[in-house]
Amino acid sequence: GAGVSQSPSNKVTEKGKDVELRCDPISGHTALYWYRQSLGQGLEFLIYFQGNSAPDKSGLPSDRFSAERTGGSVSTLTIQRTQQEDSAVYLCASSTTGGWVNQPQHFGDGTRLSIL
Amino acid sequence: DQQVKQNSPSLSVQEGRISILNCDYTNSMFDYFLWYKKYPAEGPTFLISISSIKDKNEDGRFTVFLNKSAKHLSLHIVPSQPGDSAVYFCAASSAQGAQKLVFGQGTRLTINP
Repeated sequence: GAGVSQSPSNKVTEKGKDVELRCDPISGHTALYWYRQSLGQGLEFLIYFQGNSAPDKSGLPSDRFSAERTGGSVSTLTIQRTQQEDSAVYLCASSTTGGWVNQPQHFGDGTRLSIL
Repeated sequence: DQQVKQNSPSLSVQEGRISILNCDYTNSMFDYFLWYKKYPAEGPTFLISISSIKDKNEDGRFTVFLNKSAKHLSLHIVPSQPGDSAVYFCAASSAQGAQKLVFGQGTRLTINP
């Protein structure tokens, strides 16, 4: 596909359940980022993958959050034992490179997560 | 600690006129600045960017100005069109921060016919 693809587009689950969100970056993009936007807030950084390097997890809000990127392409963000404060839109972005070269990040349409 | 601030939550402009959206930042390590446009239920769409070595970048109807001494940037849209109505986010990053974007809170721009 031409752009960043995220699935599902919407997810409603009960408090305490685990959820998995998926991101397919733009083909050839080596850098992948996860952000989230809570209601009425700006976007906040969660985690960053660059090639085969260890991910930058500095934005993950708690140890219930984890992410992986398999084969340098698709990424999944997992939230365990979900809480109501996890309700937000989770956005994935990719770029041709991260680190020292300035390149714009291109975003998917996000997954709207609602915890009941 | 809000490192990137958009102090105007909303802006209303008449079609054909100039729209000016403002953004301030506090972190002097930021060296790359971007503007994104967001429609409801869609992800942010990249509009235009500027590196800290420049003070102006122009792309069609969109121009971004950077004033490093004031830690201020602005996005000018001229002429404004109804399709420009959206939420605009300012974002900043630094090479030392691995290009993680720090976003402002957004400004909702409404273009009136």
